[in-house]
Amino acid sequence: AQSVAQPEDQVNVAEGNPLTVKCTYSVSGNPYLFWYVQYPNRGLQFLLKYITGDNLVKGSYGFEAEFNKSQTSFHLKKPSALVSDSALYFCAVRDTTGGSYIPTFGRGTSLIVHP
Amino acid sequence: DVKVTQSSRYLVKRTGEKVFLECVQDMDHENMFWYRQDPGLGLRLIYFSYDVKMKEKGDIPEGYSVSREKKERFSLILESASTNQTSMYLCASSLLAGQETQYFGPGTRLLVL
Repeated sequence: AQSVAQPEDQVNVAEGNPLTVKCTYSVSGNPYLFWYVQYPNRGLQFLLKYITGDNLVKGSYGFEAEFNKSQTSFHLKKPSALVSDSALYFCAVRDTTGGSYIPTFGRGTSLIVHP
Repeated sequence: DVKVTQSSRYLVKRTGEKVFLECVQDMDHENMFWYRQDPGLGLRLIYFSYDVKMKEKGDIPEGYSVSREKKERFSLILESASTNQTSMYLCASSLLAGQETQYFGPGTRLLVL
């Protein structure tokens, strides 16, 4: 079975400061991991994904995420937050060992960047 | 760029009405998905389709049905709308299942009175 947790409903950060949005997962085998962003009244947009290879994945809009197998985490990071980064962020996981080939989404984390 | 469009951004229906939500993608993707999004619950998969006329139930299929007569179009049907189906409905498509990125439509916010 696959599952994903986003332990924070909301993250607040000041503009210019680094930001982290947390994601932990549980799978039987190896994971495929995804981050999506949703701006108000919009659908989800793909940010980045980890399939295999380098643990540090770089994505759109200056975001990156680090795959940590021992901690089963895939936290989203950005060195310097912008007010325009304020949005809802979703982590998703797919277990590559058996089961469904459809990713499971987390509940989402609302990121608020203060001017 | 992949484009996924949904027929309505906002919809208001009455309890018991039959409701059709349409989704069209223009990138010849094999897979299409319907999710509902509710605050605090994230995205929950209703149905998905991996080919024309093929469909599989997701996590919450009760009260819904789907139709995929053409590759580019995936319809979600609420046979008899109920107030607990008030939600944001998101359609998505992907080239292959699994590792492939999903592309989402803008969503339909449905209110059932």
